[in-house]
Amino acid sequence: SAVISQKPSRDICQRGTSLTIQCQVDSQVTMMFWYRQQPGQSLTLIATANQGSEATYESGFVIDKFPISRPNLTFSTLTVSNMSPEDSSIYLCSVEGTAGGNNEQFFGPGTRLTVL
Amino acid sequence: GENVEQHPSTLSVQEGDSAVIKCTYSDSASNYFPWYKQELGKRPQLIIDIRSNVGEKKDQRIAVTLNKTAKHFSLHITETQPEDSAVYFCAASWTGGFKTIFGAGTRLFVKA
Repeated sequence: SAVISQKPSRDICQRGTSLTIQCQVDSQVTMMFWYRQQPGQSLTLIATANQGSEATYESGFVIDKFPISRPNLTFSTLTVSNMSPEDSSIYLCSVEGTAGGNNEQFFGPGTRLTVL
Repeated sequence: GENVEQHPSTLSVQEGDSAVIKCTYSDSASNYFPWYKQELGKRPQLIIDIRSNVGEKKDQRIAVTLNKTAKHFSLHITETQPEDSAVYFCAASWTGGFKTIFGAGTRLFVKA
């Protein structure tokens, strides 16, 4: 298993500002994933972050809005840029377990973002 | 790309009854099907999973079945307890694909 921490745990931000969310893992992992979970909704993959290369974004998400950094194998950041109230959501980072060859996802505790 | 549909969206049962949640997937390349439980205000956590070379798997009160031909998989919870109340997500992924696609979730209420 993996132990994942995220900072901040929650924040309230003004429209038009940006917030950077940090994700730290207790072991080296090849890929880290960023998800968005809107209130009462499912988990939607934003992007996959590989160390040493640009993140791969899912349909509907763009780098200008959600820039991602992956400076090493245990850390990643997601920035929510030029925020609007529609960006209010929980943002979760996750990593994939490799025990037994499965693809189990381990999630961070999430960052609850409210945009006013 | 993969699409996972999950039903029902809400399920209410009496304590001690069984609960069944069903999912379908679209991509025949998917070969790993996990189920996650998310309690209010907490992160999703894996409760059981099944790989495509297995038809059924059981862990105490929970079991998962997989029908590869029909692209269906289901979660069965027996002897439900109030602490089973949570949102349950099915998901599908494939080795080498690296992405996990989640269903919409089922909110389970277990009434004491």
